Amino acid sequence: SQTIHQWPATLVQPVGSPLSLECTVEGTSNPNLYWYRQAAGRGLQLLFYSVGIGQISSEVPQNLSASRPQDRQFILSSKKLLLSDSGFYLCASQGMGETQYFGPGTRLLVL
Amino acid sequence: GEDVEQSLFLSVREGDSSVINCTYTDSSSTYLYWYKQEPGAGLQLLTYIFSNMDMKQDQRLTVLLNKKDKHLSLRIADTQTGDSAIYFCAEKRGTGGFKTIFGAGTRLFVKA
Repeated sequence: SQTIHQWPATLVQPVGSPLSLECTVEGTSNPNLYWYRQAAGRGLQLLFYSVGIGQISSEVPQNLSASRPQDRQFILSSKKLLLSDSGFYLCASQGMGETQYFGPGTRLLVL
Repeated sequence: GEDVEQSLFLSVREGDSSVINCTYTDSSSTYLYWYKQEPGAGLQLLTYIFSNMDMKQDQRLTVLLNKKDKHLSLRIADTQTGDSAIYFCAEKRGTGGFKTIFGAGTRLFVKA
């Protein structure tokens, strides 16, 4: 089965600072990869998904970007964080099966 | 539309059964999922059902699917305090598709 790693687990950043969140996947090859954001007490908002190296689809216009430099590595970035970027960021992977599996999440607080 | 809808809260007493309901809109859904999220953690896949099934049982969990009404439910028998969490319903549309559509989650409170 797949294992999804995310780091850091928690991050506190000032407004205007850059961001880099990393997600790596074990136990599968050529997965579809996803970044979701979950605001406090809310559901999941799909931010980006990737079907292969260098292939990124954006779901919502925003202050964030994503990259996939390797098959099982997915990075979420920002050049300048906004207060509204605070939230819980979840990486998910969908391998040969139809099911998405999730990482443990990164809690981001922008002050 | 793309909506998967769930009620936001459910409160039950320990030992009772919990039933969490979900409705979806797309008749082409192939897989329907229930995920559990404990505080501060990622989503854990609890169970799933393929769209040509009516029911799936796994220990204390029973999933019922009414495809005609596009209604999915999760029943937790003998609910325990450790079952307190947010439960997400999700649907996968078509085979080999990229997106899974998630509901907003139902927060289950279990009272001792």
